[in-house]
Amino acid sequence: AQTVTQSQPEMSVQEAETVTLSCTYDTSESDYYLFWYKQPPSRQMILVIRQEAYKQQNATENRFSVNFQKAAKSFSLKISDSQLGDAAMYFCAYRRIGNTGNQFYFGTGTSLTVIP
Amino acid sequence: KAGVTQTPRYLIKTRGQQVTLSCSPISGHRSVSWYQQTPGQGLQFLFEYFSETQRNKGNFPGRFSGRQFSNSRSEMNVSTLELGDSALYLCASRKGEGETQYFGPGTRLLVL
Repeated sequence: AQTVTQSQPEMSVQEAETVTLSCTYDTSESDYYLFWYKQPPSRQMILVIRQEAYKQQNATENRFSVNFQKAAKSFSLKISDSQLGDAAMYFCAYRRIGNTGNQFYFGTGTSLTVIP
Repeated sequence: KAGVTQTPRYLIKTRGQQVTLSCSPISGHRSVSWYQQTPGQGLQFLFEYFSETQRNKGNFPGRFSGRQFSNSRSEMNVSTLELGDSALYLCASRKGEGETQYFGPGTRLLVL
């Protein structure tokens, strides 16, 4: 079974600094998707970044980038130049590729605090 | 383009009652998935519907059911509510395989 582990329940970062959130996953599949979602206090889940496992290049979206280590089954999120609006719960998620449905497996989340 | 919408946003029920939650996906999206979020269990997949067919189901009892209509709108039903069903229920839609999934704002259900 697929599992996603986020070992940091809480993290904090100074505004304008950089922070890295960790995520590891367990799978026997060779092809899959990985995601980072952000859930602010409003509870709306927002996609931050997505990575296809077959792509060796790490995904980047503005201040957000990932370090995808397929062999180590690691998928960390780096937030550069942290802003107050980045404060939220961050979830790492895994999804298989294929015609088997859209089942996502989520980690338990990391609560990020941004200190002014 | 409008996002995923869920109604109602908040709901209070008592044990033993049943509840129906509604989700309208983004226009053009044919897949709708439902998730339950609780502080203890985190985010758990309930089921996914694609073109009115259930494609995948999570590990939830039969009290949890759903359906999808021809316009891709989906409803989730929970019968014989239990206190442990109190949660945020999230709906998400995507256009098709390989496409990004977008979440709605959720329905917060409180069972007393």
